[in-house]
Amino acid sequence: GAVVSQHPSRVICKSGTSVKIECRSLDFQATTMFWYRQFPKQSLMLMATSNEGSKATYEQGVEKDKFLINHASLTLSTLTVTSAHPEDSSFYICSARQAQDQPQHFGDGTRLSIL
Amino acid sequence: QKEVEQNSGPLSVPEGAIASLNCTYSDRGSQSFFWYRQYSGKSPELIMFIYSNGDKEDGRFTAQLNKASQYVSLLIRDSQPSDSATYLCAVNPQGRSNYQLIWGAGTKLIIKP
Repeated sequence: GAVVSQHPSRVICKSGTSVKIECRSLDFQATTMFWYRQFPKQSLMLMATSNEGSKATYEQGVEKDKFLINHASLTLSTLTVTSAHPEDSSFYICSARQAQDQPQHFGDGTRLSIL
Repeated sequence: QKEVEQNSGPLSVPEGAIASLNCTYSDRGSQSFFWYRQYSGKSPELIMFIYSNGDKEDGRFTAQLNKASQYVSLLIRDSQPSDSATYLCAVNPQGRSNYQLIWGAGTKLIIKP
């Protein structure tokens, strides 16, 4: 149980392109989903927290107009990287949680490469 | 002081031995504690979680929590080369908005055949 599906797994695109990443909880309802970014050999960095039906809460330093998050249902959240540039190249990982004291379950991640 | 601290390692353990990973946290009101394993280039996967003081066992893994001393540990018995990974400790502190996890930087574990 507690499966989180994330797509696509890998994206390579040109600078200026917008990229949408989907995160789905397959066998549970996720009241909260989280979006992380991880650069090579570095720690997980929380970008934003998304509660179903409300606006996402962004961490300090994360541009909300660049990283658009939608959490329209209890099983789906999307992250759109708008007008991506090479510095946005990273490993983006979502996680989903059923309740406040429950573990976060992670998707497989999306490796984004902007040329 | 970091909110969640782990020794970055690498921690090298011979195959078949017990690997002991430690984590300390600063928020005394923290309620739930999680251990994740992350292989290189992959996303984290949940190994164990613990809420109460004492030990919790699941197969070869044992999580130990001591709230008075503010530490949580993960023991891996009969270590296998496939256990080689980075182990992340995460803590759910009291009062944090959205009950976000506070992550340690991870301990890199190497199991030597």
